[in-house]
Amino acid sequence: GESVGLHLPTLSVQEGDNSIINCAYSNSASDYFIWYKQESGKGPQFIIDIRSNMDKRQGQRVTVLLNKTVKHLSLQIAATQPGDSAVYFCAENRAAGNKLTFGGGTRVLVKP
Amino acid sequence: DAGVIQSPRHEVTEMGQEVTLRCKPISGHNSLFWYRQTMMRGLELLIYFNNNVPIDDSGMPEDRFSAKMPNASFSTLKIQPSEPRDSAVYFCASSLTGGTVGEQFFGPGTRLTVL
Repeated sequence: GESVGLHLPTLSVQEGDNSIINCAYSNSASDYFIWYKQESGKGPQFIIDIRSNMDKRQGQRVTVLLNKTVKHLSLQIAATQPGDSAVYFCAENRAAGNKLTFGGGTRVLVKP
Repeated sequence: DAGVIQSPRHEVTEMGQEVTLRCKPISGHNSLFWYRQTMMRGLELLIYFNNNVPIDDSGMPEDRFSAKMPNASFSTLKIQPSEPRDSAVYFCASSLTGGTVGEQFFGPGTRLTVL
């Protein structure tokens, strides 16, 4: 499959441990944030989203935290599995309209 | 639902040739987005349509790139003439928007190689 990026920050995690992926955003006016997962050879796949009126949202094995004070977003994956190995992107709705601006991505490698 | 459909999945062409990438959004979605992904620049939005109308094309690199959406179920991204630096994976995404931004569903991408 395609190589998304040779110089992506990489997080190596032991299978079964929790993963935390961080993202800093730039626009304090951004009101919607979303995490995508991209596996090799595939398009980005939605994981979870959060609006700026919330600071935490939980899904199945995933939690997104939003700290508007420091403009920081994080994705926590509980009990990381081999299938979680992928590149993870955060995106923000930085301007009016439906446009999303994507971050550079973090590669997660799960060690058995 | 079949999801967003893109064709071709892979395209290899020679510099100077015209390239047309195709996208069928998810039925009922009213917004469509074209992205380009490269190792150097990551995932970049090229253009997006809302109700078949181009809303923001500020990401289109230059006049060699053009996009159309003749109806709600089909869009094309054309590069003419193509150049080696256009080599990338091109993604189409669609979403259902009702006034607020929401989740975008991505297609599998078209991997373009320009020799």
